Amino acid sequence: SQTIHQWPATLVQPVGSPLSLECTVEGTSNPNLYWYRQAAGRGLQLLFYSVGIGQISSEVPQNLSASRPQDRQFILSSKKLLLSDSGFYLCAWSRTSGVKVFGPGTRLLVL
Amino acid sequence: AQSVTQLDSHVSVSEGTPVLLRCNYSSSYSPSLFWYVQHPNKGLQLLLKYTSAATLVKGINGFEAEFKKSETSFHLTKPSAHMSDAAEYFCVVSTGGATNKLIFGTGTLLAVQP
Repeated sequence: SQTIHQWPATLVQPVGSPLSLECTVEGTSNPNLYWYRQAAGRGLQLLFYSVGIGQISSEVPQNLSASRPQDRQFILSSKKLLLSDSGFYLCAWSRTSGVKVFGPGTRLLVL
Repeated sequence: AQSVTQLDSHVSVSEGTPVLLRCNYSSSYSPSLFWYVQHPNKGLQLLLKYTSAATLVKGINGFEAEFKKSETSFHLTKPSAHMSDAAEYFCVVSTGGATNKLIFGTGTLLAVQP
């Protein structure tokens, strides 16, 4: 069966520090991968999606970047965090046109 | 372009009474629609999905939703609320195709009173 992992679960970082959130999927190959952010009191916003290794599409301009160095690994990064980067970050995977399965999420607090 | 509108940001019901969470969608073609639930400090869990089969969709935990094209609605219902249903619920439309992006509503926070 397929599983999706995210780490860390919780992260507190100072403004201006770098960020690296990791997401891995097991039990499937060539999945579509997604990063979403959920800010307090708001719905989910799609940040990035990837349909293959090295292929990243950005949905909104922002302080973040994403990379997919391996088929089942998706990394969310920032060189310098802003206060507005605080939120709940969710990784998800799906097969083409399939239902998305979400990871457990990473709660990021930037102080 | 597809979009979803969740009409209520907060809904409060008493335990044992019916639940109605409202969602309207906008889509230029027949959409795929979903309801996800998020319990506090947890990830998202799929409740149910509509993909142009039966218009009444049954999901987990006793929830169901009815796709009404004439009203462009996909409201979520449950006959009798449980305390464990307290969570945030998201109505979602899919863009479909190879990228299969999900467009989320802003969410409805369901409170269940004893």
